Amino acid sequence: DVKVTQSSRYLVKRTGEKVFLECVQDMDHENMFWYRQDPGLGLRLIYFSYDVKMKEKGDIPEGYSVSREKKERFSLILESASTNQTSMYLCAGGSNQPQHFGDGTRLSIL
Amino acid sequence: AQSVTQLDSQVPVFEEAPVELRCNYSSSVSVYLFWYVQYPNQGLQLLLKYLSGSTLVESINGFEAEFNKSQTSFHLRKPSVHISDTAEYFCAVRTSGDYKLSFGAGTTVTVRA
Repeated sequence: DVKVTQSSRYLVKRTGEKVFLECVQDMDHENMFWYRQDPGLGLRLIYFSYDVKMKEKGDIPEGYSVSREKKERFSLILESASTNQTSMYLCAGGSNQPQHFGDGTRLSIL
Repeated sequence: AQSVTQLDSQVPVFEEAPVELRCNYSSSVSVYLFWYVQYPNQGLQLLLKYLSGSTLVESINGFEAEFNKSQTSFHLRKPSVHISDTAEYFCAVRTSGDYKLSFGAGTTVTVRA
């Protein structure tokens, strides 16, 4: 069964902390994506990666960075967490568009 | 970038009744269209997709969607819903040559007995 696994389902951090969200896929997908999901806004793309060490900004990259050192792993980094980054974060992988999603990480910034 | 409008944010429906979820997108030369479903406390799952060919596409669990280019729509329908269809449904679109999807705001379907 295809798996996109996010390291944490729930996470609570403090304002100003550096936060790492980890995502691993086992489908050998070229492309991996990070979205945030907010009520009434649907999913918005933060960053995506089309190859190891390659990345491209999505629609809302401000305050975030990403790392893809290996094909199967794609990390989202909140450089200095702020309360407006409290949200559900979804990782996805796919050959073209996102095909398989993780179960999400619900991140609260206090 | 494409914009996607899901016209209904909440759709309550009785079990075994039909349901239609509406989706419109901004026009483009060539688009690919998708419906995703998100069950409570889970990630998104691809429900069905239109890439080319027949404008009517079907999923394995009884949903269907029709691509209408002139109306720039991709509405999702099911003739008879089950309690287990309670979920949030997202319409998404991407243009040819672009990996990025644009999502609608989502429609929450609540099926009642």
